[in-house]
Amino acid sequence: DTGVSQDPRHKITKRGQNVTFRCDPISEHNRLYWYRQTLGQGPEFLTYFQNEAQLEKSRLLSDRFSAERPKGSFSTLEIQRTEQGDSAMYLCASSLIPYEQYFGPGTRLTVT
Amino acid sequence: KQEVTQIPAALSVPEGENLVLNCSFTDSAIYNLQWFRQDPGKGLTSLLLIQSSQREQTSGRLNASLDKSSGRSTLYIAASQPGDSATYLCAVNKFSSGSARQLTFGSGTQLTVLP
Repeated sequence: DTGVSQDPRHKITKRGQNVTFRCDPISEHNRLYWYRQTLGQGPEFLTYFQNEAQLEKSRLLSDRFSAERPKGSFSTLEIQRTEQGDSAMYLCASSLIPYEQYFGPGTRLTVT
Repeated sequence: KQEVTQIPAALSVPEGENLVLNCSFTDSAIYNLQWFRQDPGKGLTSLLLIQSSQREQTSGRLNASLDKSSGRSTLYIAASQPGDSATYLCAVNKFSSGSARQLTFGSGTQLTVLP
């Protein structure tokens, strides 16, 4: 499968714990995006990488959130001190230059 | 700030019917517009992408149109089937500093096609 992959697919954690998600983009895509989607809403942009450089961050990305893309390949999104309001689907997408974005299956986070 | 609205929020039609989903956006300075399909609990599947210079795109039973000046796009589904049941999302890619980045999504239209 050469599409965007995300791991894990589901994560249940207790409030206050740290969690980390991984995204593997389509191999030749130099752009990688993270979005968050809550129930009944469209995805909301969190952050964007071009190669290894993080070029844009949303106001939604509080200081508890950090994202990296070492060597311009896979990316990780870490949430520290999780809160119940962090419960959502976290979606990763990749694209080649500013063309069509391809999405992964998402990681569903539940904070209890 | 770009805002994207999709109407209706939910739609139920009998199998075989042709239907139109609507999407409107407030800022016409867009790079492109994508239509996605999302099945419950799943990621997004890209259906069609329309560049800002294009008026429409077609793929199989799907046809998407774009009227940038009025801030509207429509997704036409011909001869609907129960397998078309899903949430359909519209997203615009804003033209920013010569390079498009984030997508701004509508809340989607939840389509149910009844057998």
